Amino acid sequence: DTAVSQTPKYLVTQMGNDKSIKCEQNLGHDTMYWYKQDSKKFLKIMFSYNNKELIINETVPNRFSPKSPDKAHLNLHINSLELGDSAVYFCASSPGLRGEQYFGPGTRLTVT
Amino acid sequence: EDQVTQSPEALRLQEGESSSLNCSYTVSGLRGLFWYRQDPGKGPEFLFTLYSAGEEKEKERLKATLTKKESFLHITAPKPEDSATYLCAVQAPNTDKLIFGTGTRLQVFP
Repeated sequence: DTAVSQTPKYLVTQMGNDKSIKCEQNLGHDTMYWYKQDSKKFLKIMFSYNNKELIINETVPNRFSPKSPDKAHLNLHINSLELGDSAVYFCASSPGLRGEQYFGPGTRLTVT
Repeated sequence: EDQVTQSPEALRLQEGESSSLNCSYTVSGLRGLFWYRQDPGKGPEFLFTLYSAGEEKEKERLKATLTKKESFLHITAPKPEDSATYLCAVQAPNTDKLIFGTGTRLQVFP
């Protein structure tokens, strides 16, 4: 059983397009996150949601919009994709606002 | 500013050659320090949480320790399957967000 799953695993698209990445967790956790890992493997938080409420919103372009339809899902929609958006995006979840986080397998986004 | 620095960037070991990875941090009021393992093409896998100086955690060949300024991940008699990137993160006191280091890429050769 996959604890944190993401779809798609790979996403190749052209500049200017709009795309979405979906995330689901079956751990019963209250908090979910989106991270971006750049080409140098640096992992940085983008957003976090606790019980469907936005808690952390880092300095991320407003082209990125997270949506949490329920506690088990956190999706990421990206408008007007740019070359610099190319990266691996990870979803994660944790039981609460503190403590260890469990990561999904990642979505490799390539913008051409 | 809260910061995490890991060293070395890369480490090559012979199978059985024990060593340590370092994670130095500056954070005002540590809420927790976390170690993760990341294999190529996969998400980070949680290993340990440490909360206070002097605390130690062990799992198979790995042992994590914590002081007031740094944490060490000791690898005893490593095997090739221990090859991975090891990430360290601290939890910031005000926002609870995890701040990651850039990782240590470990390669263990038979």
